[in-house]
Amino acid sequence: DIQMTQSPSSVSASIGDRITITCRASQGISNWLVWYQQKPGRAPKLLIYAASTLMGGVPSRFGGSGSGTDFTLTISSLQPEDFATYYCQQTLTFPFTFGPGTNVDIK
Amino acid sequence: EVQLVESGGGLVQPGRSLRLSCTTSGFTFGDRALSWFRQAPGKGLEWVSFIRSRASGGTTEYAASVKGRFTISRDDSNSIAYLEMNSLKTEDSAVYYCARWIGGSYRTLDYWGQGTLVTVSS
Repeated sequence: DIQMTQSPSSVSASIGDRITITCRASQGISNWLVWYQQKPGRAPKLLIYAASTLMGGVPSRFGGSGSGTDFTLTISSLQPEDFATYYCQQTLTFPFTFGPGTNVDIK
Repeated sequence: EVQLVESGGGLVQPGRSLRLSCTTSGFTFGDRALSWFRQAPGKGLEWVSFIRSRASGGTTEYAASVKGRFTISRDDSNSIAYLEMNSLKTEDSAVYYCARWIGGSYRTLDYWGQGTLVTVSS
């Protein structure tokens, strides 16, 4: 199975901050990497697929990059509604695996 | 509007069975693969199962943790996907989500249901 790791596990930030979350796959997954946002009690929301393509309706302050084993999610200017947990997921092969999540909270 | 609505969760004793439903609307169900995921309380996301469209053979995939106990199926005439869960264990307790798969150059799950809670306890 492909193992996914994320760092940091949590980050405290202020409104307007730029934050970067890193996701690493245990083997190359090309660009088959997805980012989700999840708020407490809610389903995951698709933000980015194919490593860097923004899902329709997702604000442009979200950006994704990377290929192979190393990927990043960047939020260029944190907004109040962005405080949530972020997960990466590889969709190259079964079993689809997720990173453990990064919790973004208010400093 | 694309919608997926899970149902069928509840409290069940270890060793018993439960069937979850994912009722969909707003898209051509038969053209799409679907998947089930779960999230134990306070934990991360875990993929559970996947079923391809009939055009792609309708074949299935399972996580090792549920293989042989869970069965995914689909009713294209009613736009519903099912997850039959047998021999339930306490570690199967989680919120279960269904999601729609989009393949090709996307390879992602673009719409998710709101989830249904399964609690396995004596």
